[in-house]
Amino acid sequence: QTVVTQEPSFSVSPGGTVTLTCGLSSGSVSTNNFPSWYQQTPGQAPRTLIYSTNTRFSGVPDRFSGSILGNRAALTITGAQADDESDYYCVLYMGSGIWVFGGGTKLAVL
Amino acid sequence: EVQLVESGGGLVQPGGSLRLSCAASGLTFSSVWFHWVRQAPGKGLAWVSRITGDGSSTSYADSVKGRFTISTDNAKNTVYLQMNSLRAEDTAVYYCATDGSYSYTFWGQGTLVTVSS
Repeated sequence: QTVVTQEPSFSVSPGGTVTLTCGLSSGSVSTNNFPSWYQQTPGQAPRTLIYSTNTRFSGVPDRFSGSILGNRAALTITGAQADDESDYYCVLYMGSGIWVFGGGTKLAVL
Repeated sequence: EVQLVESGGGLVQPGGSLRLSCAASGLTFSSVWFHWVRQAPGKGLAWVSRITGDGSSTSYADSVKGRFTISTDNAKNTVYLQMNSLRAEDTAVYYCATDGSYSYTFWGQGTLVTVSS
């Protein structure tokens, strides 16, 4: 069974840059997995940040960016702000109508 | 403005059934794919099911295959998730989301399903 892996937690200083990654337990992530990224704060619905690897969703500031780094998908936040402190989830399309979420990364801004 | 409004959640006993609804507006319903995504208390997000807007194609996570059925009513612009043989581990907030390029774009606010005796 394919597992999508994310760092459980990460921290960044205000104004700093952080890169969160999303990998596969077996194999490499590619654009064919259409990696996407979501931000969620407690008690709220997820918010779409990035879809199809690197396309920012409507209204998302350009300090959020997506890419493929090596064999993983990546979400980079530049100029981190206090309200970026959230859980971040990636999801990969595995083909055959199946999607798999990563376990999420809890980002602290401190 | 795209809006998705889920309803139908509640408390149900193990082995019971529940039908969730997701009313969509602000989009061309038949042209959009829809997903159900759930989140157990204190846990991460998990994909549950997907349907094309015309209802012609569906897919399911292994954990719900054979127990859950996704469907659409184009006249009502509504997506449904019929959940049968419910288990304690199905307890979660269930979100409806639209699909854009094999990703999720717009999300509803979620509806809570609790499976407990």
